[in-house]
Amino acid sequence: AQSVTQLGSHVSVSEGALVLLRCNYSSSVPPYLFWYVQYPNQGLQLLLKYTSAATLVKGINGFEAEFKKSETSFHLTKPSAHMSDAAEYFCAVSETGANNLFFGTGTRLTVIP
Amino acid sequence: GAVVSQHPSRVICKSGTSVKIECRSLDFQATTMFWYRQFPKKSLMLMATSNEGSKATYEQGVEKDKFLINHASLTLSTLTVTSAHPEDSSFYICSARTSGSISNNEQFFGPGTRLTVL
Repeated sequence: AQSVTQLGSHVSVSEGALVLLRCNYSSSVPPYLFWYVQYPNQGLQLLLKYTSAATLVKGINGFEAEFKKSETSFHLTKPSAHMSDAAEYFCAVSETGANNLFFGTGTRLTVIP
Repeated sequence: GAVVSQHPSRVICKSGTSVKIECRSLDFQATTMFWYRQFPKKSLMLMATSNEGSKATYEQGVEKDKFLINHASLTLSTLTVTSAHPEDSSFYICSARTSGSISNNEQFFGPGTRLTVL
């Protein structure tokens, strides 16, 4: 069975500070992993994805995530937070590629001026 | 590329009426479309998966007679909430994938539809 745990439903950082959003997964096979961002009343936008290539994945808007098999983690980071990064972030796992995405409960990122 | 639209973006209806939500892939052929429901401050829950020309596969606990899904063409899927009740109020999001090599490992999400049942 596959599942995703996002530690911290709400993360606050100061503008310019490091952003770290945590995601741990469970999967019986090598997983596909995704990070999505959702702005208020909008759908989801893909930030980045891991599909068994490089373990350090770079995405849009300066975000990146590192796949660590030993820790079953796929944490999302950004060196310097911007006000426009304030949003809800979802980690998702799939054992079959683009089908059957299982989402975490989300982390709301607040950026303090 | 890979744009998915939903219509309407927001709908308010009376209890007992039916509401249809459209999901369209604008610049690619969607062999598979997915319908999700998102409760306030909660994650997305997959409701059903539909493949063009075949019946939708519903997740456990989702009433197929309540949430009718039609995927009649490679660019359009519809979700009809029948006899809507206030507890059906939610944010409904569709996504689509194609069997093409570029997007083989990605779902493209629509902007969502906010349904409010009075």
